[in-house]
Amino acid sequence: QKEVEQNSGPLSVPEGAIASLNCTYSDRGSQSFFWYRQYSGKSPELIMSIYSNGDKEDGRFTAQLNKASQYVSLLIRDSQPSDSATYLCAPRSTGFQKLVFGTGTRLLVSP
Amino acid sequence: GAVVSQHPSWVICKSGTSVKIECRSLDFQATTMFWYRQFPKQSLMLMATSNEGSKATYEQGVEKDKFLINHASLTLSTLTVTSAHPEDSSFYICSASRTGGSSYEQYFGPGTRLTVT
Repeated sequence: QKEVEQNSGPLSVPEGAIASLNCTYSDRGSQSFFWYRQYSGKSPELIMSIYSNGDKEDGRFTAQLNKASQYVSLLIRDSQPSDSATYLCAPRSTGFQKLVFGTGTRLLVSP
Repeated sequence: GAVVSQHPSWVICKSGTSVKIECRSLDFQATTMFWYRQFPKQSLMLMATSNEGSKATYEQGVEKDKFLINHASLTLSTLTVTSAHPEDSSFYICSASRTGGSSYEQYFGPGTRLTVT
């Protein structure tokens, strides 16, 4: 079992729709979770962090965390073509400072 | 805030030579910096965790004598690829965590594209 699992996609959504990106993780002790966006050929950019069960909203982005199910998701409302990128889920490894990255989900938003 | 720079942004070197990549946190202090490598269409691979003033912690399978890491100050870490070979050609990216922070957020530099000929 991979430490962090994400559907590789591509996930295709029309402009203006809600994009839903999912992630499951194996480390039950993980307490901090991060979503990064990576455009092709560029480095990752932090877009959301979440530490408690429930929802956290920031603009068009909502992160959802369910530690009991070891599941974290990212919703992007009113998707724009500029949101087309790979989204990386990254829980913090228990007892360490390092993050464990999933392989990412590629999102394509069509005009 | 939370800006991380890398230099150079790209470098071409000949096989057998060494290349040094710098990673700087510009507007915050970073006790911990991380070095990643990413091959085309693959995920990020953590190479090592670098703590200011101490030896780096390398991930399994990463040769510490080949990838030398120095974290001499709270704003600068360097990665030296020694005796580079074509298979070392990759996208090298650093990240940094704020000193004293409890969030463990990592901020990434723009990356360095290394080509070994």
